[in-house]
Amino acid sequence: EAQVTQNPRYLITVTGKKLTVTCSQNMNHEYMSWYRQDPGLGLRQIYYSMNVEVTDKGDVPEGYKVSRKEKRNFPLILESPSPNQTSLYFCASSFNVKMNTEAFFGQGTRLTVV
Amino acid sequence: QQQVKQSPQSLIVQKGGISIINCAYENTAFDYFPWYQQFPGKGPALLIAIRPDVSEKKEGRFTISFNKSAKQFSLHIMDSQPGDSATYFCAASMREPGAGSYQLTFGKGTKLSVIP
Repeated sequence: EAQVTQNPRYLITVTGKKLTVTCSQNMNHEYMSWYRQDPGLGLRQIYYSMNVEVTDKGDVPEGYKVSRKEKRNFPLILESPSPNQTSLYFCASSFNVKMNTEAFFGQGTRLTVV
Repeated sequence: QQQVKQSPQSLIVQKGGISIINCAYENTAFDYFPWYQQFPGKGPALLIAIRPDVSEKKEGRFTISFNKSAKQFSLHIMDSQPGDSATYFCAASMREPGAGSYQLTFGKGTKLSVIP
């Protein structure tokens, strides 16, 4: 089954404790991205990756890091989480941005930073 | 800077009625306009999309109307059903020239409730 898999689905952590949210897709997609969803603010892009070893900042990159060492994986790293990073996070992938194709989203990771 | 403005924020429609959600954009470089549907506890999923060279696209009960000169596009859901109750996001995307980067920008979402 074609899918984008995020882990964990739910996470509660304390301020300053480094964490990683994993994202994996099995569709051989070139393009992957991370979004955060907050009430009243919709989906805001954090980082995206056009291909392996190619990443770039989205609209709200502060406090986040990403890496793309393999085509299928695109982890989101919070080096020192803060309460304002409490949010619902989504990973997404697309086959090829040149064609502006459909973005497939994961199930989401609800992160709470206390 | 909000590049895609979506309204209304919430919408209540009677079963069988027409749901209309509107979006407006500023950047004329946008060249792809998808709508995503999100059910509670799920990630968004593509519902329907349109390119600026057409004024309307219909898939079943869902229609996108696109007005390039006004830089507006809208989603119409005909014969709305309780199962359509979800949050709907409009979006716009483009490839940024030169830099080779890509941007997909979402509206803030509309929570649709279809009541029996």
